[in-house]
Amino acid sequence: DGGITQSPKYLFRKEGQNVTLSCEQNLNHDAMYWYRQDPGQGLRLIYYSQIVNDFQKGDIAEGYSVSREKKESFPLTVTSAQKNPTAFYLCASSIARVVVGSPLHFGNGTRLTVT
Amino acid sequence: KNEVEQSPQNLTAQEGEFITINCSYSVGISALHWLQQHPGGGIVSLFMLSSGKKKHGRLIATINIQEKHSSLHITASHPRDSAVYICAVLYNTDKLIFGTGTRLQVFP
Repeated sequence: DGGITQSPKYLFRKEGQNVTLSCEQNLNHDAMYWYRQDPGQGLRLIYYSQIVNDFQKGDIAEGYSVSREKKESFPLTVTSAQKNPTAFYLCASSIARVVVGSPLHFGNGTRLTVT
Repeated sequence: KNEVEQSPQNLTAQEGEFITINCSYSVGISALHWLQQHPGGGIVSLFMLSSGKKKHGRLIATINIQEKHSSLHITASHPRDSAVYICAVLYNTDKLIFGTGTRLQVFP
């Protein structure tokens, strides 16, 4: 079955360390996204990529970095510059950049705790 | 004021009840998504609609573009419907704004 795989499900890191969250999709989708979810808030867009080797900042990109070397993979690095990294991170993909008629597919998320 | 408001924030129901979750928005949109987030965190897309009404099994989604309002209805609710339901609006053809979600618990 096609889908999006995020790993790991839970991740613990010490403050000051960079950490990379994995996102892999086998849906042959061009567009991929990283969202952050905090209690009481809607999902917020961190980065998105419309095509291999290209990505754009979302609304809250500071302290994060991404790469898109392969169509299937869109890893997110949470750097030590991110002031409040503890959150639930969701990866998503769509056939193309979000337009009418292009639904989103989500992974199961990674819960990152930084102490 | 948030651009996307959902109500209620929390909802409890007995199995078999008819459920309505509301979503109001303040921007002009080209489409609206209803999403379901399970207790484990994964999100599933339920509906994407830009006008009228869509039905899938026991779920019905409606949208009124003039009133900037959408509803998600669940008929004959079941404990497995317990989840967070999220409304997201698409505007400028490529920007999604998410609501904060409605947490539904259905008891047997």
